[in-house]
Amino acid sequence: NAGVTQTPKFQVLKTGQSMTLQCAQDMNHEYMSWYRQDPGMGLRLIHYSVGAGITDQGEVPNGYNVSRSTTEDFPLRLLSAAPSQTSVYFCASSYSWSGRGYEQYFGPGTRLTVT
Amino acid sequence: GQNIDQPTEMTATEGAIVQINCTYQTSGFNGLFWYQQHAGEAPTFLSYNVLDGLEEKGRFSSFLSRSKGYSYLLLKELQMKDSASYLCAVMEEGNNRLAFGKGNQVVVIP
Repeated sequence: NAGVTQTPKFQVLKTGQSMTLQCAQDMNHEYMSWYRQDPGMGLRLIHYSVGAGITDQGEVPNGYNVSRSTTEDFPLRLLSAAPSQTSVYFCASSYSWSGRGYEQYFGPGTRLTVT
Repeated sequence: GQNIDQPTEMTATEGAIVQINCTYQTSGFNGLFWYQQHAGEAPTFLSYNVLDGLEEKGRFSSFLSRSKGYSYLLLKELQMKDSASYLCAVMEEGNNRLAFGKGNQVVVIP
């Protein structure tokens, strides 16, 4: 198993540009989520999905869109990039959304800089 | 919502024991996770507690007291590779989300 994969690893965008961060998992996990990690802020949940066709907002959803058309893929779209979105983005998946099954498996991260 | 508090940094000597604390406030508790994150890498799972008491897994142990809103991670026989950030994350009842603390940076010195 490849686990959770993310592309790209690094990205530089100009303010106002849009892009999609890709995330895929091959563990047949139902639950997938996107976090951003900023210095001194910890991991903050952007959006999550409890299964194909179902998504919901996390703590910091503004400026981001998600969709979940398959169990495997959960792309994150930045609609119009802003410098405040400079961050490290982690995608994660878990077997379920309760109890021990909620153990998150994280992808390697995408380091995004918006100038 | 949750309020999760962790101290920010500690230094310890190779071979020693270090305890990393996490306090939380939540309206309904449904489990607590500890993750390890090396610099520039993704977090990896260490432990899960949902009942009061100590869970031991090799050199790492995690303790939970639900009445006190308190957990700690105990790292024994510290090794240089244990230098990392340790993240506490709380799952709130009825909520499909994990709330992470800011992490505690442990630096192991020879």
